[in-house]
Amino acid sequence: EVQLVESGGGLVQPGGSLRLSCAASGFTFSNHWMTWVRQAPGKGLEWVANIKEDGSDEYYVDSVRGRFTISRDNVKNSLYLQMNSLRAEDTAVFYCARCHGSSWNFDYWGQGTLVTVSS
Amino acid sequence: QVVLTQSPSASASLGASVKLTCTLSSRHSGYAIAWHQQQPEKGPRYLMKVNSDGSHSKGDGIPDRFSGSSSGAERYLTISSLQSEDEADYYCQTWDTGIVVFGGGTKLTVL
Repeated sequence: EVQLVESGGGLVQPGGSLRLSCAASGFTFSNHWMTWVRQAPGKGLEWVANIKEDGSDEYYVDSVRGRFTISRDNVKNSLYLQMNSLRAEDTAVFYCARCHGSSWNFDYWGQGTLVTVSS
Repeated sequence: QVVLTQSPSASASLGASVKLTCTLSSRHSGYAIAWHQQQPEKGPRYLMKVNSDGSHSKGDGIPDRFSGSSSGAERYLTISSLQSEDEADYYCQTWDTGIVVFGGGTKLTVL
């Protein structure tokens, strides 16, 4: 059974940093692009970042480029999102999801972790 | 940049059928999309990928009541024999080189 479990969310002050983790199981992690998607309170889904199977390529939405870094550890079957210079508008539930092989439709999702940026 | 447009809301009666629409920007009318369901207070769930020719491939465990189709720049999700648990937000999603885009979502109410 495919499982994605996010952790690391919490309350952080504006300008602060946070690192999210996503533990993957039930599939060959290194065969799939992976992604982070966020959802602000009461809003729709917003793609944040993608990373290639071997970690050699990354893509970001413009609003986080230069502040967020996606990474992965294929030995630990884990996906990460390092978030720096956090802003109030980054407050959201963050989901990790699996891409369908090398295609970018997301075929499994985690349950999400809440990040709140507030003083 | 590719844009996906969805109606904000839809409603249908218990046991009936409903067809949700996701419209691609005209320059991107040949793109495939994915449909995702988000029930209240839950994470999203992948339903299916719908190609421009109307073929679709469903995610694991998705009931036969859910189907996909296409016409031009429009991609559809049809849910038949509506059940109360189908009341949810439905998002379409597509992708291009270096970018992923979601539609604004359709809130489906089961009457």
